[in-house]
Amino acid sequence: NAGVTQTPKFRVLKTGQSMTLLCAQDMNHEYMYWYRQDPGMGLRLIHYSVGEGTTAKGEVPDGYNVSRLKKQNFLLGLESAAPSQTSVYFCASSLTDRETQYFGPGTRLLVL
Amino acid sequence: AQTVTQSQPEMSVQEAETVTLSCTYDTSESDYYLFWYKQPPSRQMILVIRQEAYKQQNATENRFSVNFQKAAKSFSLKISDSQLGDAAMYFCALVHGVFGKGTKLTVNP
Repeated sequence: NAGVTQTPKFRVLKTGQSMTLLCAQDMNHEYMYWYRQDPGMGLRLIHYSVGEGTTAKGEVPDGYNVSRLKKQNFLLGLESAAPSQTSVYFCASSLTDRETQYFGPGTRLLVL
Repeated sequence: AQTVTQSQPEMSVQEAETVTLSCTYDTSESDYYLFWYKQPPSRQMILVIRQEAYKQQNATENRFSVNFQKAAKSFSLKISDSQLGDAAMYFCALVHGVFGKGTKLTVNP
């Protein structure tokens, strides 16, 4: 039982490049979330999903897209990376929106 | 809109002492849940404690307890007998992915 895993752990991008962050969970959770964490800002919700095939915008969705084609996977895409997207990205999952969220280890992204 | 406010960016406590971290929130929902998460230097976020708003009894998990004041929309975390391993960032959170900005707790030996 791996819980929530994230790929990659660290990545450096140049401005304008694209990439996809993968989140996988093996707990059969319906809800999945993507957050970004910046110093002094706490965690801010980017996008979330309430089930396979569904996605919804969070607090800071601009510049990001997501997809949830399979229940266990939640992908976060950056089509054209900007330095403002330098951050640590966390994925989380939960059984319902009222249950405990289980977090992945984070992905550190540096955009030059 | 739902909000969570943690007014103490940093706190420190002596080992074996007690410390209280503050959190206030705002929501228009009547039935909701509140959480405290811990993020140690390893960066892994883990749940400390959870409170259901309709329950009047304050949640307790070993050395961790909360003071939930629903009318005041306050949800503070008390850590008793602080240990060096308690040093971390602590985040207060509402449902729907609303987090506070965190409190950095330092434990002094």
